[in-house]
Amino acid sequence: DIVMTQTPLSLPVTPGEAASISCRSSQSLLDSNDGNTYLDWYLQKPGQSPQLLIYMVSYRASGVSDRLSGSGSGADFTLKISRVEAEDVGVYYCMQHIEFPHTFGQGTRLEIK
Amino acid sequence: QVQNLQSGPEVKRPGASVKVSCETSGYSFSHYGIHWVRQAPGHRLEWLAWINAANGNTKYSQKFQGRVTITRDTPASTAYMELSSLRSEDTARYYCARDLLVDESGRGFYGLDVWGQGTTVIVSS
Repeated sequence: DIVMTQTPLSLPVTPGEAASISCRSSQSLLDSNDGNTYLDWYLQKPGQSPQLLIYMVSYRASGVSDRLSGSGSGADFTLKISRVEAEDVGVYYCMQHIEFPHTFGQGTRLEIK
Repeated sequence: QVQNLQSGPEVKRPGASVKVSCETSGYSFSHYGIHWVRQAPGHRLEWLAWINAANGNTKYSQKFQGRVTITRDTPASTAYMELSSLRSEDTARYYCARDLLVDESGRGFYGLDVWGQGTTVIVSS
C-alpha cells in the first residue's frame, strides 16, 4: 500500500497568518499514461464528516475559499492557506487515489492560537 | 438536495456482522462510485472499499478482504456495506462518499465530494 505522510501533525496558527501542510507519498502519484496526479485534500471539522477541499493536486472543489491552494508533483505536495480564519479549524488529510487501496495521511490538526 | 443519508448507530457483539446503508438522493446514482471510509477513535481515515454504482464492480482493501462486502440497489439509489466477524478494533464511524465515474478504473478525478453523515458502529461484549 502507498504510505502517505503529513507534516506537521499539529499546526497552531494566529488568525490572519499563513499556514502550510506537507504531504509526501511513498511512491509517485503521477500516472505517466494519462499525465494525471491522483492526490486530494480533505478537511474534517470538529464533529463533522470530511469535506473535499482540493482534487487532483490543485483544483479547488466547489465553494472552497480561494485562500486555499494545492500544489506539488510526483510524491511531494503542499496545501497552503493564505490567511487563516476561525472556520479553518479542523483536521486536514491528504489522500492518494492512483491505486487501490486509497490511503490517507495521518492528518494535520490546525488550531487557532 | 444532494445527499447521502446513512443508517443509524449499531452496537454489535464480537463475531457478529453489521450492514450499513447509504441512501443517496438529488443526483443520478448510476453515474457515481461509492466509497466506504472509516475512522476509529484517535485514528486516521481508513479506506475500505468502492463500488461502481453503474455496473456493480467492486474494489476492496486487502486488509478487509473476505470480511467486507459492498452491494448496491440501483432502483433504491442505495449502497450497502456489510462487515462480518466483527472485533473490537472495528469500533469506528463509517462513512460513504460519492465519486463521479470517469472510466472503469475507479480512481476518479473530481474527488469524494459528497459524504454521508457517518454511522457509528460499536463492537463490544
